[in-house]
Amino acid sequence: DVKVTQSSRYLVKRTGEKVFLECVQDMDHENMFWYRQDPGLGLRLIYFSYDVKMKEKGDIPEGYSVSREKKERFSLILESASTNQTSMYLCASSFGMELGDQPQHFGDGTRLSIL
Amino acid sequence: AQKVTQAQTEISVVEKEDVTLDCVYETRDTTYYLFWYKQPPSGELVFLIRRNSFDEQNEISGRYSWNFQKSTSSFNFTITASQVVDSAVYFCALKRAGTALIFGKGTTLSVSS
Repeated sequence: DVKVTQSSRYLVKRTGEKVFLECVQDMDHENMFWYRQDPGLGLRLIYFSYDVKMKEKGDIPEGYSVSREKKERFSLILESASTNQTSMYLCASSFGMELGDQPQHFGDGTRLSIL
Repeated sequence: AQKVTQAQTEISVVEKEDVTLDCVYETRDTTYYLFWYKQPPSGELVFLIRRNSFDEQNEISGRYSWNFQKSTSSFNFTITASQVVDSAVYFCALKRAGTALIFGKGTTLSVSS
């Protein structure tokens, strides 16, 4: 089974802190994604990556950055956390296009609270 | 522009009732993919089904069935004889080849015993 592991299930940070959310997948997937989920808004894409050191902005990249130094790891960074970034963050991964359009597999999510 | 609309925000049914979750999508692409995911209270999104735009065959998997109609841009999901364990948030999603998923806002299904 595909395993996508997010480093924390719950996280509480303070306004202005630099926050790192880590995601690791064990299936050698090329693609990795970060979403945030908010009530009434569904899931919205923050950033995604098709390969190591590559990144693409999603729909709501403002206030976030990402890092993909290794294929299995995709980090989401909140440069200076703000209260409006309190949310559930979901990481996902999938195989690349050469294997057809494969479904994304999701981690359990990190519920982040910014105080 | 691409968009997924799940008009039903919440649905409540009693066990053994059949329930249909609606999904309407918008895209100008001829090649695209449609997905359904289930998010139980534990939080993890579980992949249920993928359909590509060239395959309009309906699919049945146990108590689950999906009806894809390009003419109405719909990809509806029916649960037959619902059970309490079906209680979850269900997301419909659209994907162009080589891009990320665009999710609907989800439908919360509550099944009571």
